Amino acid sequence: DAKTTQPPSMDCAEGRAANLPCNHSTISGNEYVYWYRQIHSQGPQYIIHGLKNNETNEMASLIITEDRKSSTLILPHATLRDTAVYYCIAGPTNFGNEKLTFGTGTRLTIIP
Amino acid sequence: DTEVTQTPKHLVMGMTNKKSLKCEQHMGHRAMYWYKQKAKKPPELMFVYSYEKLSINESVPSRFSPECPNSSLLNLHLHALQPEDSALYLCASSQASGRTDTQYFGPGTRLTVL
Repeated sequence: DAKTTQPPSMDCAEGRAANLPCNHSTISGNEYVYWYRQIHSQGPQYIIHGLKNNETNEMASLIITEDRKSSTLILPHATLRDTAVYYCIAGPTNFGNEKLTFGTGTRLTIIP
Repeated sequence: DTEVTQTPKHLVMGMTNKKSLKCEQHMGHRAMYWYKQKAKKPPELMFVYSYEKLSINESVPSRFSPECPNSSLLNLHLHALQPEDSALYLCASSQASGRTDTQYFGPGTRLTVL
């Protein structure tokens, strides 16, 4: 799996959009970008994933650059419940037999 | 329903005890995973079962013994653990089919070894 780099921490005001960057410059052509988050002492929660097109679901939007070397997770209207560690993961390429290699993630704090 | 359940939520055991962690999913997923997470660290993979067969063992010590009795259940048997094995143990499952394979995690079992 490609290595990812994320800022260790970020703050965002409640109600504003939170934009979390991720660099994955060594990503291969068939590796997806996944985002998970982990609220304190809970299991990681899947947010969104994408290959090369921008993606949106009820939780967030994922913007992937054209060269696929970086991406941004956007939480459009952050709430206090969005305070968590956010993990950007590149991979897996197969199905059913792959591990998620978690990096150190970004600790996002939503400020009231 | 994307729920993975884990029992117990908390477990305290001595170094000579034998205990088991249990994980269950009813999403029809055919891949199940055990991860270990130490405090302030990201989760690390321990084992993967795919179609009820062990497919990945990340060089985990033999005092951890996984078992997959059927496609919905995953156990982790613990024996002669060390205090440094204290951690949050996470179970996950995925479909094991299709172009991508989203993993869904349970809430974890907080293990303390005395």
